[in-house]
Amino acid sequence: AQKVTQAQTEISVVEKEDVTLDCVYETRDTTYYLFWYKQPPSGELVFLIRRNSFDEQNEISGRYSWNFQKSTSSFNFTITASQVVDSAVYFCALSEANSGGYQKVTFGTGTKLQVIP
Amino acid sequence: NAGVTQTPKFRILKIGQSMTLQCTQDMNHNYMYWYRQDPGMGLKLIYYSVGAGITDKGEVPNGYNVSRSTTEDFPLRLELAAPSQTSVYFCASSYSLELAPETQYFGPGTRLTVL
Repeated sequence: AQKVTQAQTEISVVEKEDVTLDCVYETRDTTYYLFWYKQPPSGELVFLIRRNSFDEQNEISGRYSWNFQKSTSSFNFTITASQVVDSAVYFCALSEANSGGYQKVTFGTGTKLQVIP
Repeated sequence: NAGVTQTPKFRILKIGQSMTLQCTQDMNHNYMYWYRQDPGMGLKLIYYSVGAGITDKGEVPNGYNVSRSTTEDFPLRLELAAPSQTSVYFCASSYSLELAPETQYFGPGTRLTVL
């Protein structure tokens, strides 16, 4: 069974600090996908990144970076020089195909990030 | 493109009432999903559909029904509302091929309260 653990329930940082959100996953599949979504206070879910299990290269997008390590089953998300607009709940998700080919997605419970001005 | 739209945005129901949450996507996605998000929790899958005419249960289907008569629409029906169904409901869609999960795009959510 697949599982996603986001052990950090809430994090508070002061603006301009760097912050890392942890994501640990469990899966028996060799092919799977990992995602990060952002849920700002307005409530919508915004896609941030998708990474497949064969691509362990780290990715950087502006102030956002992701560190994927299969050896530790982790897909951590770092925000550099945090800003107040980064305040949101961040969800990590794991997707694998079940025996019927359906894309089963499991979400973590989310990490609430508060950036204090 | 509007993406994924959901109506209504908010609704209060009395116990035992019925309602339909509407979801429409204009991206020609084959997969559509309904999730519920309870306070402080992640998303749990209620039902999903891999194409028009095909639906299947997710993690928490009890108390809900769905239909998929067109590619665009995926309504979620609550027949006898219960307080345990108080939640925020998200509809999502994706263009997915077997064994190649694609990004899900979410609607803005429907906040439902059952009293």
